[in-house]
Amino acid sequence: EADIYQTPRYLVIGTGKKITLECSQTMGHDKMYWYQQDPGMELHLIHYSYGVNSTEKGDLSSESTVSRIRTEHFPLTLESARPSHTSQYLCASQELGGAINEQFFGPGTRLTVL
Amino acid sequence: AQTVTQSQPEMSVQEAETVTLSCTYDTSESDYYLFWYKQPPSRQMILVIRQEAYKQQNATENRFSVNFQKAAKSFSLKISDSQLGDAAMYFCAYRDLSMEYGNKLVFGAGTILRVKS
Repeated sequence: EADIYQTPRYLVIGTGKKITLECSQTMGHDKMYWYQQDPGMELHLIHYSYGVNSTEKGDLSSESTVSRIRTEHFPLTLESARPSHTSQYLCASQELGGAINEQFFGPGTRLTVL
Repeated sequence: AQTVTQSQPEMSVQEAETVTLSCTYDTSESDYYLFWYKQPPSRQMILVIRQEAYKQQNATENRFSVNFQKAAKSFSLKISDSQLGDAAMYFCAYRDLSMEYGNKLVFGAGTILRVKS
């Protein structure tokens, strides 16, 4: 399996709480991504990064924010969780370079906001 | 905008049999890349197979092969000698160099594959 990790795997939290979803990879990949995936549905890109100090929004609007202070670490933060944020969040990484390059995915964090 | 369509929400196959999952896409680009990803229940999504559009030869990876029809914009996945471990959600995905958002992947809605013993 790929060397990309996400914690926690499952999180149930109350409305209004601040949460941070962790994502780390040990492959030295410059590109990292966050996707949101509702059950049984396609993935939608919410954030991506080309490398340290680079963060961009994806094509699906999200109230979350991300940071990239270290190559291997790409955390996602929700300042005030709401029930509409309930979903699965997948982190992925990829080498810079050709578009043929594989994206490696983490196991996901399943978030439930009550 | 580029789109990917998987018209089969669910498919079933008997163990050891062959199954084909369908995928069509829409693009005006001539150079692009296509992927099939597998997402087993509660496990990481992994790449199954990939195809470069400029290559006419269909990609194969062991029991997995594709039927790439560029003119028809079709990219089906064939799984031969199906095994219980093949049960998963399968996503077709597209990428080209013109795309914004870090050369993002555009995913289809997925097909759930069930394997019967």
